[in-house]
Amino acid sequence: NAGVTQTPKFRVLKTGQSMTLLCAQDMNHEYMYWYRQDPGMGLRLIHYSVGEGTTAKGEVPDGYNVSRLKKQNFLLGLESAAPSQTSVYFCASSPLTGVTGELFFGEGSRLTVL
Amino acid sequence: RKEVEQDPGPFNVPEGATVAFNCTYSNSASQSFFWYRQDCRKEPKLLMSVYSSGNEDGRFTAQLNRASQYISLLIRDSKLSDSATYLCVVNKDGNKLVFGAGTILRVKS
Repeated sequence: NAGVTQTPKFRVLKTGQSMTLLCAQDMNHEYMYWYRQDPGMGLRLIHYSVGEGTTAKGEVPDGYNVSRLKKQNFLLGLESAAPSQTSVYFCASSPLTGVTGELFFGEGSRLTVL
Repeated sequence: RKEVEQDPGPFNVPEGATVAFNCTYSNSASQSFFWYRQDCRKEPKLLMSVYSSGNEDGRFTAQLNRASQYISLLIRDSKLSDSATYLCVVNKDGNKLVFGAGTILRVKS
C-alpha cells in the first residue's frame, strides 16, 4: 500500500550542486504537487501539475524546475542549490482538484544545503 | 498579511480538556476549508473538511464564519494521541490549497 513515495528522504548538498527529488504515486491521481515546509511558514506550493505532460508555477517556484513525463511521477529539480533551499519537501497527489481538500502526501524529503 | 493565519501556540492542555483553535483567512472568494493534522516529523493528513453549517466528527467540531473569514476547530475530551500540529487550509484559485503555519497542541497526562 505505497501511496506517495518520495526519494531520497535525506540529502546534504553543497551550494551550487544540483539534484532531483522523485515523487511516485500509485493511485492513478491526476494532480500532483510539490511543497516546501519551513519553520513558522507553513507549507508553500512550489510547482504543481494537473496531468501528464503539464506543469505550472506555484507560490515559490524560483530556483526549481519540474517535469511530469509520466502520470505517476513528478520530479523536482534544483539546478544550483542555495542555502535558502534548505527545507523539508513534500510531494502530494489528489484525484481531482484541490477543492476536494484531500491531498495525499509523501513522507517528506529533508534537504540541507551547506 | 498572510493568506491564512493561525495562533502558533503551543497549547498545553491536560487530558480530558476541551481546546479550540482559530484561523483567519484573507481571500473572501475562498470556497473550501479544511483542517489537517501533522504529527512531529511526519506528513500532513486530512482531519476534516469545514462546512458552512458546521460539522462534527466524534470529538472534533469544525465551524466556518464566512462573514468574519474565520474557521475554528474544537477538540473535546483531549487524548494524549491528539498531540500534533493542526493546519488550517483554504483553497485558492480553485485548484490550489494554502496552508497556515499550524497550531501546536500538547496534551499532557
